[in-house]
Amino acid sequence: DAGVTQSPTHLIKTRGQQVTLRCSPKSGHDTVSWYQQALGQGPQFIFQYYEEEERQRGNFPDRFSGHQFPNYSSELNVNALLLGDSALYLCASSTTRQASYEQYFGPGTRLTVT
Amino acid sequence: GEDVEQSLFLSVREGDSSVINCTYTDSSSTYLYWYKQEPGAGLQLLTYIFSNMDMKQDQRLTVLLNKKDKHLSLRIADTQTGDSAIYFCAEKGQAAGNKLTFGGGTRVLVKP
Repeated sequence: DAGVTQSPTHLIKTRGQQVTLRCSPKSGHDTVSWYQQALGQGPQFIFQYYEEEERQRGNFPDRFSGHQFPNYSSELNVNALLLGDSALYLCASSTTRQASYEQYFGPGTRLTVT
Repeated sequence: GEDVEQSLFLSVREGDSSVINCTYTDSSSTYLYWYKQEPGAGLQLLTYIFSNMDMKQDQRLTVLLNKKDKHLSLRIADTQTGDSAIYFCAEKGQAAGNKLTFGGGTRVLVKP
């Protein structure tokens, strides 16, 4: 049973560019959440997708957008990249069939903005 | 709003017990979680506890919850060098929907 997978592993972009990160949830999971983890800090919630809609959003600007596909996989898009967007981007999957809402994380995508 | 605090660093000798502490502010927290992060890796879910429980044991891990004081701890028995990592506590509040709010992490160093 494959766990949560993310691609790419690493990415280097220039200020002002746009980036798309991808996530495939754990088998049987229907909900995908995205988190940003800056160096030396805990993860910060960006948004969560369920049934192809954004269900909840954290305190991130509109430059951060996402999508969920019918197979439950998800993309995170960031426009007009800033130096401060450099971070580890983590995807987590969960299922609404479990009240505990345990979230399982992928290995992350390391984004460097120069 | 929700806030989760952890101490920054813990040093422990191999074979001893480690205790990692966490405090949170959201009184509507329903579940609290402990995650482990090794260098360059994602987060590994270690265990979780429902807010109406005081304690949960899972092999070498014991979670204690004091809901009155909003204090959570993770005890690792017989700590091994492979336990060296950053440990995060996280809470899911009823009012906050399904997002997790994380602490800043505690770096645990296990010395031989």
